[in-house]
Amino acid sequence: EDQVTQSPEALRLQEGESSSLNCSYTVSGLRGLFWYRQDPGKGPEFLFTLYSAGEEKEKERLKATLTKKESFLHITAPKPEDSATYLCAVLNQAGTALIFGKGTTLSVSS
Amino acid sequence: DAGVTQSPTHLIKTRGQQVTLRCSPKSGHDTVSWYQQALGQGPQFIFQYYEEEERQRGNFPDRFSGHQYPNYSSELNVNALLLGDSALYLCASSLQNSPLHFGNGTRLTVT
Repeated sequence: EDQVTQSPEALRLQEGESSSLNCSYTVSGLRGLFWYRQDPGKGPEFLFTLYSAGEEKEKERLKATLTKKESFLHITAPKPEDSATYLCAVLNQAGTALIFGKGTTLSVSS
Repeated sequence: DAGVTQSPTHLIKTRGQQVTLRCSPKSGHDTVSWYQQALGQGPQFIFQYYEEEERQRGNFPDRFSGHQYPNYSSELNVNALLLGDSALYLCASSLQNSPLHFGNGTRLTVT
């Protein structure tokens, strides 16, 4: 069964304190791994798609990487506006649905 | 360019009632998917519509049904509401092989 597990559930950082979020996945043939950001009361906002091991994508202070079993979202020198829940998801076999993890809630204080 | 819009934003219903949620996809998108997000959980796939047909369905009972119109807009209907149906209902639109774009959801509370 396809499954996504994210850790930690919650992470508190000081402004400028870099860290990484983990997403472990179990899927029969990866068709795409997705990272989304979700602010309270809002829908998820697309960040990155990764397709193969070794692939990396960057956007501002965020960098996503992918191995055969997990993905990392690295946050460099975070700012308070980076506070949000970060969701990881994989595409199912049929390519019609995303299977999400429970998310990591990041809080960055100044 | 308007993104995915959902209505209403909030809704309170009583157990046993029926509810209809609406979604207009992002301009140019032809595929609509619905997800349920319980508090503290990731979104769970309900179903996907393409060319006015349900293309795939997640692990949800028949009380959950949907429809897609020729203009690609969509509705989610839930019958015989249960307390456990309280959640944020998210609509997402996409084109073939493109990432999902989500709306801000409808917060449904069942009392």
